[in-house]
Amino acid sequence: AQSVTQPDIHITVSEGASLELRCNYSYGATPYLFWYVQSPGQGLQLLLKYFSGDTLVQGIKGFEAEFKRSQSSFNLRKPSVHWSDAAEYFCAVLDTGRRALTFGSGTRLQVQP
Amino acid sequence: DAGVIQSPRHEVTEMGQEVTLRCKPISGHDYLFWYRQTMMRGLELLIYFNNNVPIDDSGMPEDRFSAKMPNASFSTLKIQPSEPRDSAVYFCASSPRRGSSYNEQFFGPGTRLTVL
Repeated sequence: AQSVTQPDIHITVSEGASLELRCNYSYGATPYLFWYVQSPGQGLQLLLKYFSGDTLVQGIKGFEAEFKRSQSSFNLRKPSVHWSDAAEYFCAVLDTGRRALTFGSGTRLQVQP
Repeated sequence: DAGVIQSPRHEVTEMGQEVTLRCKPISGHDYLFWYRQTMMRGLELLIYFNNNVPIDDSGMPEDRFSAKMPNASFSTLKIQPSEPRDSAVYFCASSPRRGSSYNEQFFGPGTRLTVL
C-alpha cells in the first residue's frame, strides 16, 4: 500500500526566508504526486502536481517542487516566504487503481515577521 | 466555475441524530470523492463515485455511514445515528475523466461536523 511521510509537523520561518517542506512517498509504480495547501477553516487548494516529465515542477504562489525518484521524495520549496503563506501543507500520492489520494500528516507553517 | 459546493459549512448536532452532508461537484466532472479529516487519522478517503456509481466504499467506517449520488450534480453523505467520534471535517472533491486536469481532485470548502 502506498504511503506518504511528512517528517516535519511544524516549521517556523521568518518572512523573506527560504522554505523547504519535506515529503517522502512509498508507491510501487510511477507516482502521481501533489502538494495541497489548507488555510485555517478552508478547503484544500492544489499548489502543484507531478505526473511525468521534468522533475522540477512549478506551481502557484511561487512554489516549486522537485521529484527525486532515487530518494522517493517530492520536496516543496519557495525562495522567499510571505506572511500569507502561513497554512498547513499536505503532500499526497494518487493510487491510480483505486483513484484515492493518500495524504501525509501535514506540515504546519508559521511565518514570523 | 463555482467549484465544488458543500453544505452546510458547519453542523452541530447531538449524539443519536441523523446528519446529512451535501455536495455539488464541478459540472462535467465524472468522479466524486468524500474524505474525512480528523486530528487522529488525518485525511482519509471514505468513498468515491464514478458516473454516479459507488466504486470504492472501503473507507466508510461503519454501517452508520451511507452515501448516495442520485445524479451527476448532487451527492449526500449521511450519518445515522451520529456519535461524538464522528466529529470531523468532511470534504467533497471531484475530478474529470479526461483533459489537462485528469487525475487532479478539486476540493470543496468542507463541512465541519460537531457531534455533542
